[in-house]
Amino acid sequence: DAGVTQSPTHLIKTRGQQVTLRCSPKSGHDTVSWYQQALGQGPQFIFQYYEEEERQRGNFPDRFSGHQFPNYSSELNVNALLLGDSALYLCASSSGTGYASPLHFGNGTRLTVT
Amino acid sequence: AQSVAQPEDQVNVAEGNPLTVKCTYSVSGNPYLFWYVQYPNRGLQFLLKYITGDNLVKGSYGFEAEFNKSQTSFHLKKPSALVSDSALYFCAVGGYNKLIFGAGTRLAVHP
Repeated sequence: DAGVTQSPTHLIKTRGQQVTLRCSPKSGHDTVSWYQQALGQGPQFIFQYYEEEERQRGNFPDRFSGHQFPNYSSELNVNALLLGDSALYLCASSSGTGYASPLHFGNGTRLTVT
Repeated sequence: AQSVAQPEDQVNVAEGNPLTVKCTYSVSGNPYLFWYVQYPNRGLQFLLKYITGDNLVKGSYGFEAEFNKSQTSFHLKKPSALVSDSALYFCAVGGYNKLIFGAGTRLAVHP
């Protein structure tokens, strides 16, 4: 039973570029959330997708956008990259949108912006 | 606004000794509380959660957590620490559709 898978594992981009990160949820899960974890900090909620719609969004600018596909996989897009976007981006999946459901996290994508 | 605080950046404990990692929370209404662990270069792994019921919650790998409403705390405990428990531990509070994480506590278990 595959868990949450994310690709790529590492990525280096230049300021101003755009990046797309991908996530496949754990089998049986239909909800995907994205978190940003800066070095030395806890994960910060970016947004959550359920039924191919963004259900809730954290305090992130519109440069951060996402998508969920019919097979429940998801993409996170970041435009006009800034140095401060360098972080570990974590995808988490769950069943439904209730906040009592534990999240299952992938190993993350390490994004470095130079 | 909901928040959690982990007052210790690092906790050091000798193998075989009991360990405690502290967490306090601030929420309006009933809290949904979680503990996750992160190993190097890995995502977070769920340890346990408190939704309602008994104040002592048992979780994975021998960990447990004690919910204290009067002190607004949810401390993570283990009776006997292992070197392999060394990792980064995060407390989180469940908001609608999302989790709010603390800054994390690094646990170092020494042989």
